[in-house]
Amino acid sequence: SQKIEQNSEALNIQEGKTATLTCNYTNYSPAYLQWYRQDPGRGPVFLLLIRENEKEKRKERLKVTFDTTLKQSLFHITASQPADSATYLCALDDGGSGNTPLVFGKGTRLSVIA
Amino acid sequence: NAGVTQTPKFQVLKTGQSMTLQCAQDMNHEYMSWYRQDPGMGLRLIHYSVGAGITDQGEVPNGYNVSRSTTEDFPLRLLSAAPSQTSVYFCASSYSPWLVANTGELFFGEGSRLTVL
Repeated sequence: SQKIEQNSEALNIQEGKTATLTCNYTNYSPAYLQWYRQDPGRGPVFLLLIRENEKEKRKERLKVTFDTTLKQSLFHITASQPADSATYLCALDDGGSGNTPLVFGKGTRLSVIA
Repeated sequence: NAGVTQTPKFQVLKTGQSMTLQCAQDMNHEYMSWYRQDPGMGLRLIHYSVGAGITDQGEVPNGYNVSRSTTEDFPLRLLSAAPSQTSVYFCASSYSPWLVANTGELFFGEGSRLTVL
């Protein structure tokens, strides 16, 4: 069956450290993978997209990697801050043409402790 | 620029009642979708539309109807509400997902919180 697994339901990390979140998928062939941030009581907000032919993408303190052999994406937040505390969702499409709806993982709730 | 607007933000229904969750976007997006979010289940796709007059089912379509008569609006109808439909509903839109240059980024509304008693 098809699955998207975000390994940790919750992750606590000290301020200033690097937070690493994992997204693994099974029986999908995504053209791209995305990461979203969701704050309590709000809708998800897009952060980064990485395509199947890209190994790594960066945006400010964020870095995403995508390994299609391992079927895994890693999401890193460097120099983490309490304001980074939120739930982070990975999402992917299920089709090489990228024309199918996004499927989401259950999310990882990150808490950055001052 | 309003983005994706969902109404109502909160709603309480009794079992068997019907209602419509409204979703409107002002970004001229072709693609619109409805997700529900439940604790421990993540976001699950209910229905989606790739353009006016075209709709399709997602992972959990039972008990819900949609229509897309205009590019801007994509209402979600609950015909006979059940307690299992208690959830937070999110509408999301994007440019045509099949455009190669498109990021496929979804723009979400703020959610509609529905309780069915």
